Amino acid sequence: GENVEQHPSTLSVQEGDSAVIKCTYSDSASNYFPWYKQELGKGPQLIIDIRSNVGEKKDQRIAVTLNKTAKHFSLHITETQPEDSAVYFCAASIGNYQLIWGAGTKLIIKP
Amino acid sequence: ETGVTQTPRHLVMGMTNKKSLKCEQHLGHNAMYWYKQSAKKPLELMFVYSLEERVENNSVPSRFSPECPNSSHLFLHLHTLQPEDSALYLCASSQDQGPYEQYFGPGTRLTVT
Repeated sequence: GENVEQHPSTLSVQEGDSAVIKCTYSDSASNYFPWYKQELGKGPQLIIDIRSNVGEKKDQRIAVTLNKTAKHFSLHITETQPEDSAVYFCAASIGNYQLIWGAGTKLIIKP
Repeated sequence: ETGVTQTPRHLVMGMTNKKSLKCEQHLGHNAMYWYKQSAKKPLELMFVYSLEERVENNSVPSRFSPECPNSSHLFLHLHTLQPEDSALYLCASSQDQGPYEQYFGPGTRLTVT
């Protein structure tokens, strides 16, 4: 079946450094790729998304890049801060309304 | 606050019990979802409702029974669950079915004993 692979499962970076999380997807028809952040005790919350007609999108310290040929997309967080510590999930659309999710990356920001 | 509330936040039930999870969205959305979240695994989509009609049932066992009485409320009725059903159950809503932002509630942490 269709799947999304996400790496790494845990990422520890020094405060102020950059963090990169990568995902690959299998369904070539996928055209919507969101990234969600989940803090402890809360549900996931959308932080940025990209559609297949765009190669890169930025929003302040976060950016997402998409390579449709290689079927992978990445989340980049620059100048990391303690509040960036959370679990991050990537997802890819399949069909009309489903998202296939990655297994998550626990991001730890070291002071 | 995301505009999606879930009750209860925690639930412990025996395998022979019957319980229900409730979700309410205050966003005026047309689509609602139930997900199962287990540790270190991808979110598993269970059910999708669009305009109160079920549009997706991802091979979920019949011991889980959803109900959507109106576009603001979604229930998940549970009966004769198994210990492996212990997980965080998340409700979400979106403007419409399709590639739109999904707004999640905080989840119900379910433990089956």
